[in-house]
Amino acid sequence: EAQVTQNPRYLITVTGKKLTVTCSQNMNHEYMSWYRQDPGLGLRQIYYSMNVEVTDKGDVPEGYKVSRKEKRNFPLILESPSPNQTSLYFCASRGVIEHTGELFFGEGSRLTVL
Amino acid sequence: GESVGLHLPTLSVQEGDNSIINCAYSNSASDYFIWYKQESGKGPQFIIDIRSNMDKRQGQRVTVLLNKTVKHLSLQIAATQPGDSAVYFCADRGQDNFNKFYFGSGTKLNVKP
Repeated sequence: EAQVTQNPRYLITVTGKKLTVTCSQNMNHEYMSWYRQDPGLGLRQIYYSMNVEVTDKGDVPEGYKVSRKEKRNFPLILESPSPNQTSLYFCASRGVIEHTGELFFGEGSRLTVL
Repeated sequence: GESVGLHLPTLSVQEGDNSIINCAYSNSASDYFIWYKQESGKGPQFIIDIRSNMDKRQGQRVTVLLNKTVKHLSLQIAATQPGDSAVYFCADRGQDNFNKFYFGSGTKLNVKP
């Protein structure tokens, strides 16, 4: 089954404790991206990657890091989480050959930073 | 930057009626738009897309209309069913191809039995 898998789905942590949210896709997609979703603000892009070792900032990259060492994985790293990073996070992927913008999203990771 | 919004945060319709969800965008150069559906506890799911060289596109029970003059698009759902209850987002892409998408805040569609 084609899917984007995120882990963990739920996490409560404390300010300053480094954490990583993993994302893996099994569709051989070149493009992967991270979004955060906050009430009234819709989905905002954090980082995206066009392929292995190619990453770029989205609209709200501050406080986040990413890496793309393998095509299927695109982890989101919060080096020193703060309460304003409490949010619902989505990873998404897309093939670049297809000339559509259809993104395949994971189920989301709800993060609470105390 | 880009701005994509939705007109109503909530829309309630009777089962079997048609639903119309509206969206406005700010960038007159936007040339590609997508509608997503997000069910409770799940990630967004692609519904339909439309390019700016089209005014209308139809899918299964859904139609998207694009009015470039007033920078407005709408999603019409025919014969709305309980399974259509979800939050609906429109999105447009940034100027640099498909690398960036800008999402509206969403309209929650409630289908009353």
